[in-house]
Amino acid sequence: GAGVSQSPSNKVTEKGKDVELRCDPISGHTALYWYRQSLGQGLEFLIYFQGNSAPDKSGLPSDRFSAERTGGSVSTLTIQRTQQEDSAVYLCASSPQGGWQPQHFGDGTRLSIL
Amino acid sequence: QKEVEQNSGPLSVPEGAIASLNCTYSDRGSQSFFWYRQYSGKSPELIMFIYSNGDKEDGRFTAQLNKASQYVSLLIRDSQPSDSATYLCAVKNTGTASKLTFGTGTRLQVTL
Repeated sequence: GAGVSQSPSNKVTEKGKDVELRCDPISGHTALYWYRQSLGQGLEFLIYFQGNSAPDKSGLPSDRFSAERTGGSVSTLTIQRTQQEDSAVYLCASSPQGGWQPQHFGDGTRLSIL
Repeated sequence: QKEVEQNSGPLSVPEGAIASLNCTYSDRGSQSFFWYRQYSGKSPELIMFIYSNGDKEDGRFTAQLNKASQYVSLLIRDSQPSDSATYLCAVKNTGTASKLTFGTGTRLQVTL
């Protein structure tokens, strides 16, 4: 497809388990972003990748969160030892480059921690 | 003070009226401003973006930016029931490596 693709669309897991969320950006977009949206909250920035530069990890809430972007395309967000407060919708966005260019969002992964 | 502030609403307007959605931001050095529409259970969809002071029009939508007042607004003319959604204001700050800072959104209800 032409848009940002995320998988899975829904994930339910038990507290303490690890989860991996995947994002496939729009083809040709070099910038990739992860955000999360908790119920009734605004979108919270997590991490930003631009080309081969070191990622901006300033939004990651704890060291249980990490992300990779292999080959400048697909990205994986990993949450280790999940907690109930990690329950949220995790959104991925991409843009042609970083800077001022608008970001386009995928449909998100709804993560529920039991 | 929140970095990006929006009235949560709901803002209720009758069909055919003009809906006016407002957003203020705290970082005076902010460079670019975005409006996203988010339907319940869906991801944000880009509606408008604006970089320069003044108005920018696209169809029924007009974005207005006043950097001196740190204020950005979105006008929706001839509002339709399908415009009912939450509208998110997002700001790209200087020196933050391209991340967007979002307001919590204004819920718009267009009534018949």
